[in-house]
Amino acid sequence: DAKTTQPPSMDCAEGRAANLPCNHSTISGNEYVYWYRQIHSQGPQYIIHGLKNNETNEMASLIITEDRKSSTLILPHATLRDTAVYYCIVSYSKLTFGKGITLSVRP
Amino acid sequence: DAGITQSPRHKVTETGTPVTLRCHQTENHRYMYWYRQDPGHGLRLIHYSYGVKDTDKGEVSDGYSVSRSKTEDFLLTLESATSSQTSVYFCATEGSSNYGYTFGSGTRLTVV
Repeated sequence: DAKTTQPPSMDCAEGRAANLPCNHSTISGNEYVYWYRQIHSQGPQYIIHGLKNNETNEMASLIITEDRKSSTLILPHATLRDTAVYYCIVSYSKLTFGKGITLSVRP
Repeated sequence: DAGITQSPRHKVTETGTPVTLRCHQTENHRYMYWYRQDPGHGLRLIHYSYGVKDTDKGEVSDGYSVSRSKTEDFLLTLESATSSQTSVYFCATEGSSNYGYTFGSGTRLTVV
């Protein structure tokens, strides 16, 4: 039973910001929002996670709405190498992966 | 990824034979996980370990067993391989909660 809902795909132009949405309307108070990505057939790669506050690291920013029912992963300057499947996961312990969103960055 | 190695990377085996996949980590992480990935299903958790000799089942554990006799090694065994176990298997470790899971490069298993 999926806890998150993501569009199946989206694209953006190279150099522009990529904003990846995720809905998690049934999130519990102790559950974190995690984002991972998987490039081609490699193992998934951790991007960022947060509980309530917005977070930023060298890879991306995570914006969580005040009611915590949705979030957005922002890649500020997308490159061709950012083309991947991005997974939004809600969890307080083990991670359960859905189908994710396929981001295609076009030249 | 640095610090986590899966072996073998590729394997073809016959139905009914036992198969063991190995995950080796050098990070001294407590938690280790085995996932399988199939088209249309994303990654599904098979088994996980929260310490030496401490393991538990995930959502798709039937037909699989695991062992962890040392912190650094987490073995996944298919006692009698079936064609439905043809998949890509990923191992992951979890250290600090600030850095999420680290995944290995995967093992592509084909059961013929």
